Amino acid sequence: GNSVTQMEGPVTLSEEAFLTINCTYTATGYPSLFWYVQYPGEGLQLLLKATKADDKGSNKGFEATYRKETTSFHLEKGSVQVSDSAVYFCALSDRSNFGNEKLTFGTGTRLTIIP
Amino acid sequence: NAGVTQTPKFQVLKTGQSMTLQCAQDMNHEYMSWYRQDPGMGLRLIHYSVGAGITDQGEVPNGYNVSRSTTEDFPLRLLSAAPSQTSVYFCASSYQGAGDTIYFGEGSWLTVV
Repeated sequence: GNSVTQMEGPVTLSEEAFLTINCTYTATGYPSLFWYVQYPGEGLQLLLKATKADDKGSNKGFEATYRKETTSFHLEKGSVQVSDSAVYFCALSDRSNFGNEKLTFGTGTRLTIIP
Repeated sequence: NAGVTQTPKFQVLKTGQSMTLQCAQDMNHEYMSWYRQDPGMGLRLIHYSVGAGITDQGEVPNGYNVSRSTTEDFPLRLLSAAPSQTSVYFCASSYQGAGDTIYFGEGSWLTVV
């Protein structure tokens, strides 16, 4: 079956530090890959996505590249801000299923940025 | 545009009580689903629907029922609440198939005592 393995947290960084949150996956088909972000007290919001190998998703200074050879989709940001403090979820949607109603999530990584 | 709306936001139930979590979306999305979020376990799919009149089970369906009588609404029913159902519940919707963006509601915090 499908699975997503995410870097365990919590992760604490100083403002302007470089961020990497690792994510690897296993899937039976041709998955689309996502990063979702959950700010305190809120629901999940799509941060970025990539739908095929070598695609790079980017948004708000965050980037992730779909690496089929290493089955990875690591999240990076060059200079984090206090406002980036949140929980980050890696997820996949397997196109072998009908529709993407079956997202498989990682366990989430809590990120705290210190001023 | 309201997006995905969940109610209630907070609820405390006694063991054995029943209740319904409401979910509505105004984006004319065909796909809707319910997830539960538990510490250290990410989000797990409870039930989903690919259109009005069609529902199916997800990863953790036991103890929950759903129906989809209209495109807009997808209520989640707890038949006889148990402490193990204490969780945060998220409703989600999307327009079409694999790779499409999924929109989440703000969550419903449920405590069963």
